[in-house]
Amino acid sequence: DTGVSQNPRHKITKRGQNVTFRCDPISEHNRLYWYRQTLGQGPEFLTYFQNEAQLEKSRLLSDRFSAERPKGSFSTLEIQRTEQGDSAMYLCASSLAGGENTGELFFGEGSRLTVL
Amino acid sequence: GQSLEQPSEVTAVEGAIVQINCTYQTSGFYGLSWYQQHDGGAPTFLSYNALDGLEETGRFSSFLSRSDSYGYLLLQELQMKDSASYFCAVQYNFNKFYFGSGTKLNVKP
Repeated sequence: DTGVSQNPRHKITKRGQNVTFRCDPISEHNRLYWYRQTLGQGPEFLTYFQNEAQLEKSRLLSDRFSAERPKGSFSTLEIQRTEQGDSAMYLCASSLAGGENTGELFFGEGSRLTVL
Repeated sequence: GQSLEQPSEVTAVEGAIVQINCTYQTSGFYGLSWYQQHDGGAPTFLSYNALDGLEETGRFSSFLSRSDSYGYLLLQELQMKDSASYFCAVQYNFNKFYFGSGTKLNVKP
């Protein structure tokens, strides 16, 4: 296992369609985060899990967004009824809870969404 | 809420030293991290400070003053490959990380 893996890397969709992104974290990591990043901005927090429990969801996040981590391993982020404003890079990151606090998140390469 | 301020862009020449400052406001502060991101790439971790003082990792050093809510990233012996965006991120309430808008570093020959 070499790192955090995200699929698909690129997704182009029409407005109103649903999209789903998958994240496979580093295998021993029990914390998983989703961030969104637009051009020229820093990663914006969306939600995070510890094991299978979703512990927090950003208040800025529309109800069209939902995330799951059913078995505490991989996670999916679904966006329903996409809008052009959803166009962004969706980043997944993982970390190990309970170990030494190094302040480090391990990011995947991201899934770039373009909504036409 | 959380807020972070860092310069939007910095330009320096190859071989020089550059300092990127970051000031923050947050409750439940645990530490300050720094990440590098090349265009089209993933953010990669550079350094972390939980306590006041300087942390050195090769050409990169990071500093934190908790009393001043201030930190900086110092890059020495700049190389062309250091051209990238640099983000400071506060760790707060232990599990959460809030990122700044980033500083674009341009290294010129």
